Amino acid sequence: EVQLVESGGGLVQPGGSLRLSCSASGFTFSSYAMHWVRQAPGKGLEFVSSISGNGGSTHYADSAKGRFTISRDNSKNSLYLQMSSLRAEDTAVYYCVRDSGSHDYWGQGTLVTVSS
Amino acid sequence: QAGLTQPPSVSKGLRQTATLTCTGNSNNVGNQGAAWLQQHQGHPPKLLSYRNDHRPSGISERFSASRSGNTASLTIAGLQPEDEADYYCSAWDSFLSVWVFGGGTKLTVL
Repeated sequence: EVQLVESGGGLVQPGGSLRLSCSASGFTFSSYAMHWVRQAPGKGLEFVSSISGNGGSTHYADSAKGRFTISRDNSKNSLYLQMSSLRAEDTAVYYCVRDSGSHDYWGQGTLVTVSS
Repeated sequence: QAGLTQPPSVSKGLRQTATLTCTGNSNNVGNQGAAWLQQHQGHPPKLLSYRNDHRPSGISERFSASRSGNTASLTIAGLQPEDEADYYCSAWDSFLSVWVFGGGTKLTVL
């Protein structure tokens, strides 16, 4: 059974940093690109970042460029999102998502709240 | 980054058929095709269809998707109370090199 479990969310002050993690199981992690997708409270879905299976290719939404860094450790079946210079508008549930050509499996999400 | 366009809300009666639309451009929906996701309040999204008209295993045949040009559609037949949810479309944008989502359609089953 495919499972994606996010962690690392929490309350952070504006300008602060946070590192999200996603632990994957039930599939060959290195064979799949992975994404971070976020959802602000009461809002729609927003692509944040993606990384290829071997980690060699990454993409970022304009809102994340220069502030967020996606990475993965295939030996640990783990995906990460390092977030810095956080703003109030980054407040959202962050989902770890498997990419099989579409977003076929989603984690339960981890809430990031940016507030003073 | 511009997203895909979906109507904010659709209301239909029990056992009726609802058709949701998603409009993009030739770089996303018209090129790569679209996927549809269903999200119930407080839960993560669930994939309903991908590459325009493919349905993952376990998804009811009441859900069918299609594409015409730059517009994708999701048709839900025989509406049930549990179909009341938010529905999102998504597509890879080959020009922007990012995934784009629609703003979502809230489906109300009367």
